Amino acid sequence: DGGITQSPKYLFRKEGQNVTLSCEQNLNHDAMYWYRQDPGQGLRLIYYSQIVNDFQKGDIAEGYSVSREKKESFPLTVTSAQKNPTAFYLCATNPRREVLCSCDTGELFFGEGSRLTVL
Amino acid sequence: ELKVEQNPLFLSMQEGKNYTIYCNYSTTSDRLYWYRQDPGKSLESLFVLLSNGAVKQEGRLMASLDTKARLSTLHITAAVHDLSATYFCAVVLPLNRDDKIIFGKGTRLHILP
Repeated sequence: DGGITQSPKYLFRKEGQNVTLSCEQNLNHDAMYWYRQDPGQGLRLIYYSQIVNDFQKGDIAEGYSVSREKKESFPLTVTSAQKNPTAFYLCATNPRREVLCSCDTGELFFGEGSRLTVL
Repeated sequence: ELKVEQNPLFLSMQEGKNYTIYCNYSTTSDRLYWYRQDPGKSLESLFVLLSNGAVKQEGRLMASLDTKARLSTLHITAAVHDLSATYFCAVVLPLNRDDKIIFGKGTRLHILP
């Protein structure tokens, strides 16, 4: 089945540890995004990538890092520099064709999310 | 900087009533999305609005877009308990060709049986 797989669903981290959240997609979508969700804050953009080997910082990139070595994969590392990492992390994709057509709505498709808790 | 504001942020209403959620945004955009989120779950796409005057309906929900007023509405008709969820609007900020999608803070809707 086509879709977006995030793992792990739940993750506990001790302070000072780096952790990596996985996001894999088999939708053949070009663009991939990482959002963070805190209660009452909506979704905030951490990083996004429009093509392989390229990515841009979002609004809250400090303390996070990403890579995009393959079209299917966009892992997010939460580093020890992120002071308040407890949150719900959502990965999303977007087809983003080179030439926008009327069929390209630009909407995001979301994975199931990963909940990170710092102990 | 694009700002997306939803109101109300919390809404408790009785079954059978009608209500409207508002989504205002600060910069020109011609694409707006509505998503639903159930507690502890991911986001589910509800509506995609791509032009001024666009109106989409699905069951008891209807969404509209006025790009001149920079306003979208999500109208709930004769609410039922199953519609209890958090609803987000999201707006595209065209930035060269690297579109950023910015979300509102969400409207938590609680429908009383």
